[in-house]
Amino acid sequence: QVQLQESGPGLVKPSQTLSLTCTVSGGSISSGGYYWSWIRQHPGKGLEWIGYIYYSGSTYYNPSLKSRVTISVDTSKNQFSLKLSSVTAADTAVYYCAKSVRTWFDPWGQGTLVTVSS
Amino acid sequence: EIVMTQSPATLSVSPGERATLSCRASQSVSSNLAWYQQKPGQAPRLLIYGASTRATGIPARFSGSGSGTEFTLTISSLQSEDFAVYYCQQYNNWPRTFGPGTKVDIK
Repeated sequence: QVQLQESGPGLVKPSQTLSLTCTVSGGSISSGGYYWSWIRQHPGKGLEWIGYIYYSGSTYYNPSLKSRVTISVDTSKNQFSLKLSSVTAADTAVYYCAKSVRTWFDPWGQGTLVTVSS
Repeated sequence: EIVMTQSPATLSVSPGERATLSCRASQSVSSNLAWYQQKPGQAPRLLIYGASTRATGIPARFSGSGSGTEFTLTISSLQSEDFAVYYCQQYNNWPRTFGPGTKVDIK
């Protein structure tokens, strides 16, 4: 049973870069066939898909965030990461990582709240 | 981008009653639709994919139907653990998009 766990700073200053890591356990990112996604949820709001990465490094980003997003993978650590640059208060959200087959998302990590504030 | 809408925003139901939740897509997504359940402080959990296929371990009281632009999630007899927010998500087009959710609360 694959499990995912997000980690990273809970507070980021405006204009800086948000950086999060998702550690995958119970399965290998390199096994192929799966796409590793980031999704966020603004406080009290709905869900927004940010992007995904395949173990080979190929990525696909939501066009609404594409100019600020970088997702990378470290297969040696069984981790993938999110960087979101030039953050503002509008980027305050709970950030989830999830496994996908480019379709639905299952399972999800527990999520981590990132607050953008000076 | 495909816009997903859900109705109602809030559904008040008594335990044991049937709940019917609706999801609409701004254009056809075929049967490429998933449903999730989210409880407070928890991550979403996959309930249904392919519009009508229950995910592993999901009770039979949850059922999905529809295709094209109109979809329904039915909970046949609400249990206490079913009071939560439910989201639909399309995976027919990029970017993947979610509906705003329907909150099912206790009447």
